Amino acid sequence: DAKTTQPNSMESNEEEPVHLPCNHSTISGTDYIHWYRQLPSQGPEYVIHGLTSNVNNRMASLAIAEDRKSSTLILHRATLRDAAVYYCILRDPGTASKLTFGTGTRLQVTL
Amino acid sequence: NAGVTQTPKFQVLKTGQSMTLQCAQDMNHNSMYWYRQDPGMGLRLIYYSASEGTTDKGEVPNGYNVSRLNKREFSLRLESAAPSQTSVYFCASSDIINSPLHFGNGTRLTVT
Repeated sequence: DAKTTQPNSMESNEEEPVHLPCNHSTISGTDYIHWYRQLPSQGPEYVIHGLTSNVNNRMASLAIAEDRKSSTLILHRATLRDAAVYYCILRDPGTASKLTFGTGTRLQVTL
Repeated sequence: NAGVTQTPKFQVLKTGQSMTLQCAQDMNHNSMYWYRQDPGMGLRLIYYSASEGTTDKGEVPNGYNVSRLNKREFSLRLESAAPSQTSVYFCASSDIINSPLHFGNGTRLTVT
């Protein structure tokens, strides 16, 4: 199964943009890139996903490299409520079992 | 709209006891999943059900059984609990295979 690599932790100041990187050099052509986040004592929450093109929604933007071997989740203005663990996951639509979470990036947001 | 509901929220078992974790979703989703999360770790897939009537093993199925009772409900059973099964268990559902997963708030299980 294709794996992802993320930094263990990152810090940001409130109101500033945050760029969370993810490497997935063994991604297959059919794998979608999904991002989830997990706030303390809660279940993971879907953030965004994409295949090849950059994607935007109300929560974040997803920038995907042209070769698809890396991607970046962009929070445009971090708030204290964005402090969470962010998971970058590859999802093969052919089988539900290929959804490996890894340890993610713990984002700290300070005033 | 409740989404994914898990019961119980907390449970303490003694080694060798059995129990069933319940999960229900009200979004008419086809697929349902059970994950476990150990302290400081990511989530690991235990079992999943791609559609009503089917179940398949994930990464860590040993010591667990599942039942997809109907489209709404997917239960996880521990027949003989062990301390290594102390964890937080999350149930999730999705509409089709590649659609986003919706998670419940988890069941915190301690086995002594």
